[in-house]
Amino acid sequence: AQTVTQSQPEMSVQEAETVTLSCTYDTSESNYYLFWYKQPPSRQMILVIRQEAYKQQNATENRFSVNFQKAAKSFSLKISDSQLGDTAMYFCAFMKPDSMDSNYQLIWGAGTKLIIKP
Amino acid sequence: DSGVTQTPKHLITATGQRVTLRCSPRSGDLSVYWYQQSLDQGLQFLIQYYNGEERAKGNILERFSAQQFPDLHSELNLSSLELGDSALYFCASSNRQSTDTQYFGPGTRLTVL
Repeated sequence: AQTVTQSQPEMSVQEAETVTLSCTYDTSESNYYLFWYKQPPSRQMILVIRQEAYKQQNATENRFSVNFQKAAKSFSLKISDSQLGDTAMYFCAFMKPDSMDSNYQLIWGAGTKLIIKP
Repeated sequence: DSGVTQTPKHLITATGQRVTLRCSPRSGDLSVYWYQQSLDQGLQFLIQYYNGEERAKGNILERFSAQQFPDLHSELNLSSLELGDSALYFCASSNRQSTDTQYFGPGTRLTVL
């Protein structure tokens, strides 16, 4: 079974700094998808970035980028020029594509609480 | 705004009662997923529907059930409620069965007293 591990329960950085959140996963699949979602204090779950395992190029979305290391099964999120609004819980999630067992769920890490200090 | 709507936003009820949570997916999305998030915990997948049919089940209790209607909205029914059912319940939708990104609604906060 697939597992997702986020080893940093909480992180804190100063505004405008760069911060990297770690995520590792365990799977025997070769084709899959990885996601980062953020959950601010409002508790809304917001998609930050998505990475397809078959793509070698790391995904980027404005100030957010990932470092995807398939062999190491690592998927870290880098936030550049951090802003107060980035304060949130960040969840890493794994999804495998269509399969015979019809298991289409996202598998979630435990989350990292990120605090951006002014 | 993700385009996924959930009602109600908050629900307070007593143990033993039954409640229904409603979800409307994004326009054009055929898949609906339900998740439960207990306090300070990650999300637990409950169940998925695709175009009206159940596609996958996760850690859903027998006291819970769901369905997806012809207009693609979905309802999650929780019965014989217990204190431990207090949680945030999310609905998410995606375009295809599994490989598309899931977009989440704002959630329904259920408090069982």
